[in-house]
Amino acid sequence: QSVLTQPPSVSGAPGQRVTISCTGSSSNIGAGYDVHWYQQLPGTAPKLLIYGNTNGPSGVPARFSGSKSGTSASLAITGLQAEDEADYYCQSYDNSHWVFGGGTKLTVL
Amino acid sequence: QVQLVQSGAEVKKPGASVKVSCKASGFSFTGYYMHWVRQAPGQGLEWLGWINPNSGGTNYAQKYQGWVTMTRDTSITTVYMELSRLRSDDTAVYYCARAKVTETTSVVFDYWGQGTLVTVSS
Repeated sequence: QSVLTQPPSVSGAPGQRVTISCTGSSSNIGAGYDVHWYQQLPGTAPKLLIYGNTNGPSGVPARFSGSKSGTSASLAITGLQAEDEADYYCQSYDNSHWVFGGGTKLTVL
Repeated sequence: QVQLVQSGAEVKKPGASVKVSCKASGFSFTGYYMHWVRQAPGQGLEWLGWINPNSGGTNYAQKYQGWVTMTRDTSITTVYMELSRLRSDDTAVYYCARAKVTETTSVVFDYWGQGTLVTVSS
């Protein structure tokens, strides 16, 4: 059972917008710790997608954006493309440990 | 460019130990903490701990204390993760990841190794 809760799956058609939620608690996200997001394509290592709640590293398309409010955070993907089909993980900090969400599988219909 | 290259897949018997290596290049080896994360088949990511390549200091997830050991060899810019007393549920892909401190002093894993599959089977 993960400290951060994500929906197991989301889906959307090409061109649509989807959001993935990440729910924590007062000891992690609610305590003010940043949320980061990773994309894991099938059979590959995770790749940093969003850091510090809202920032995209160089090279990440602007279609990917993040937000945070209270004890939750969200990843939004606009203009959905077939190559976005992957697993997405949120990550934060809690009680001297780095913690991840359980992951969300994005299916592009 | 930043590269983290891990050692190859391992097959171990229950009760044995495994040592996975992660060779760093393209950045100052002693300037970044290195973390280890594992992923069981079909499962999510689980943090194991970190090592400070400069001092050799470590911090392990409570669940893994006494069970995991992280070391480094600065002469060959390589960090290691050794897991002992292996069980079948230790079967997973083990990743090393470089930790970057952001402007808000948060830690993010900005580069990852390719992963090492460790299979524990009798």
